[in-house]
Amino acid sequence: GDSVTQMEGPVTLSEEAFLTINCTYTATGYPSLFWYVQYPGEGLQLLLKATKADDKGSNKGFEATYRKETTSFHLEKGSVQVSDSAVYFCALRDNAGNMLTFGGGTRLMVKP
Amino acid sequence: EAGVAQSPRYKIIEKRQSVAFWCNPISGHATLYWYQQILGQGPKLLIQFQNNGVVDDSQLPKDRFSAERLKGVDSTLKIQPAKLEDSAVYLCASSLGLGTRNTDTQYFGPGTRLTVL
Repeated sequence: GDSVTQMEGPVTLSEEAFLTINCTYTATGYPSLFWYVQYPGEGLQLLLKATKADDKGSNKGFEATYRKETTSFHLEKGSVQVSDSAVYFCALRDNAGNMLTFGGGTRLMVKP
Repeated sequence: EAGVAQSPRYKIIEKRQSVAFWCNPISGHATLYWYQQILGQGPKLLIQFQNNGVVDDSQLPKDRFSAERLKGVDSTLKIQPAKLEDSAVYLCASSLGLGTRNTDTQYFGPGTRLTVL
């Protein structure tokens, strides 16, 4: 079945550091790929998405590129802020329906 | 626009008791999902409704879990009887309809944190 693997956290960075959170997936066909963010005490929010190979999703300074050849969708940000501290989830949606399969989540902690 | 509403936000019960969670999706959203998120893990889909019909309940433990969406709007998820391993956050999400590749984002509620003692 479909699966998503993320790097384990926590990831601890200083403010203005460069962020990469790795995500790889296993799926048949051509899934859509997502990054969701969960701030403390809040629900999941869609951060960005990409629906076909080589698409780049971007939002709030975060970017991720759909790489079919490496089955990856790594999340990057050039300069993190303390307010980016949260748990980040990579997810895929198969073409058959609207079911989301999530990775285990990566906690990011940004220190001033 | 109001988001997905869930209640209660927190619930503590003893094992073998029953519990129910309520979800009100975004107005006009035909599809509703219930997820279970165990601490330290990603959410796992329990059940998906399209209007008042079940689309996918393959991962719902039907011996103890049940869900309904009688009028195609609000939904209730019930656990009876609860076990210790049911301690988790139960997330409700909604979307406009069955997705295409380019549309149909799922919007999540804040969740209900269940602790089973």
